[in-house]
Amino acid sequence: AQSVSQHNHHVILSEAASLELGCNYSYGGTVNLFWYVQYPGQHLQLLLKYFSGDPLVKGIKGFEAEFIKSKFSFNLRKPSVQWSDTAEYFCAVTANSGNTPLVFGKGTRLSVIA
Amino acid sequence: GAGVSQSPSNKVTEKGKDVELRCDPISGHTALYWYRQSLGQGLEFLIYFQGNSAPDKSGLPSDRFSAERTGGSVSTLTIQRTQQEDSAVYLCASSLQSSGSETQYFGPGTRLLVL
Repeated sequence: AQSVSQHNHHVILSEAASLELGCNYSYGGTVNLFWYVQYPGQHLQLLLKYFSGDPLVKGIKGFEAEFIKSKFSFNLRKPSVQWSDTAEYFCAVTANSGNTPLVFGKGTRLSVIA
Repeated sequence: GAGVSQSPSNKVTEKGKDVELRCDPISGHTALYWYRQSLGQGLEFLIYFQGNSAPDKSGLPSDRFSAERTGGSVSTLTIQRTQQEDSAVYLCASSLQSSGSETQYFGPGTRLLVL
């Protein structure tokens, strides 16, 4: 069975600081990887996903993530955060074979202060 | 455009009562998923539908939980004899197909509180 670890429970950054949120997954086969974001009072929305091709994936709002297969990692990055990036971020994985639901990490809460 | 909708948005019930939660997926999406989001457990998969059939019910926590989908569209999650530990936000998602690479689009959730 797949599992996902997000190492940071709560991250606090000042505006314009750079962001990197860690995500590691456990699964021996080919995977699809996702980052979802949940802004306060809003529903989960997709930031970006990887399923094949270039391991550096660019998403919305200036976010990017890099799939490093040898490290089973899919870390999320943003060079300069804004106050509006305050949200909870979830890394998730599905197996590439068959029909599988998303397996989520526990989430990382990001607080950006002015 | 219309996204995934869920009703009710909030539900307060007494322990032992039954509740029904409804999900309207995006039109044309054949796959529908139910997840539960709670403080201690994070986001957990409950069940998914491909059309009207449920190939994977492995996440349902007990036989008090059941779900159905009719007409390949609306789905209802039913919790019988609710317990306090059922308190959580119940999320529904839909995708065009049930392939692992498909994006799942989430609804706003139903916040359930069992007193």
